[in-house]
Amino acid sequence: DSGVTQTPKHLITATGQRVTLRCSPRSGDLSVYWYQQSLDQGLQFLIQYYNGEERAKGNILERFSAQQFPDLHSELNLSSLELGDSALYFCASSNPLYPNTEAFFGQGTRLTVV
Amino acid sequence: AQSVTQPDIHITVSEGASLELRCNYSYGATPYLFWYVQSPGQGLQLLLKYFSGDTLVQGIKGFEAEFKRSQSSFNLRKPSVHWSDAAEYFCAVGAEEYGNKLVFGAGTILRVKS
Repeated sequence: DSGVTQTPKHLITATGQRVTLRCSPRSGDLSVYWYQQSLDQGLQFLIQYYNGEERAKGNILERFSAQQFPDLHSELNLSSLELGDSALYFCASSNPLYPNTEAFFGQGTRLTVV
Repeated sequence: AQSVTQPDIHITVSEGASLELRCNYSYGATPYLFWYVQSPGQGLQLLLKYFSGDTLVQGIKGFEAEFKRSQSSFNLRKPSVHWSDAAEYFCAVGAEEYGNKLVFGAGTILRVKS
């Protein structure tokens, strides 16, 4: 158990809908990262938050957004869903105050758009 | 641009044989290097990591990897493969300068034949 909790584990929804994926980082971790794993794009970094502020952005679509709340949990919002958004979405957390420590990954949320 | 290359999409080895999975990276900063393993439908498990120091690092499940700066490589090795090692393996690189977000390779699927 990495200590990073993602909910829900599975999500099936229709095209055009909006969903919210939730991530609770490890206790004390200030950074949260979101990654998408799809068959055609592989594992891609989407976005990073640090202590509530956006820190870095990767290949995140405009239809997607994220935020990190004061209690440090994070949500990834996906809207106007398309079939191609079907993927495994991972959250990871780390504490940059401790150098030379890796990010810890949650088990992922598998999103299926039908 | 940062990139990670895993040149082998699939590798098949016999149980008990040695294994080497290749990873090359292109990165504009001093890299941190990681190997993750993913079983079908599962999350990412960290096998080993390199931040600095000894270039030969030991990980879990009998895996090791060697960082060769001159070759921009971080190859994963195991002296004797077990059937339970069949999975997909991902090499990843990050750096403090880039907020420690990870760039992943495309993965290598390992098949173990008995």
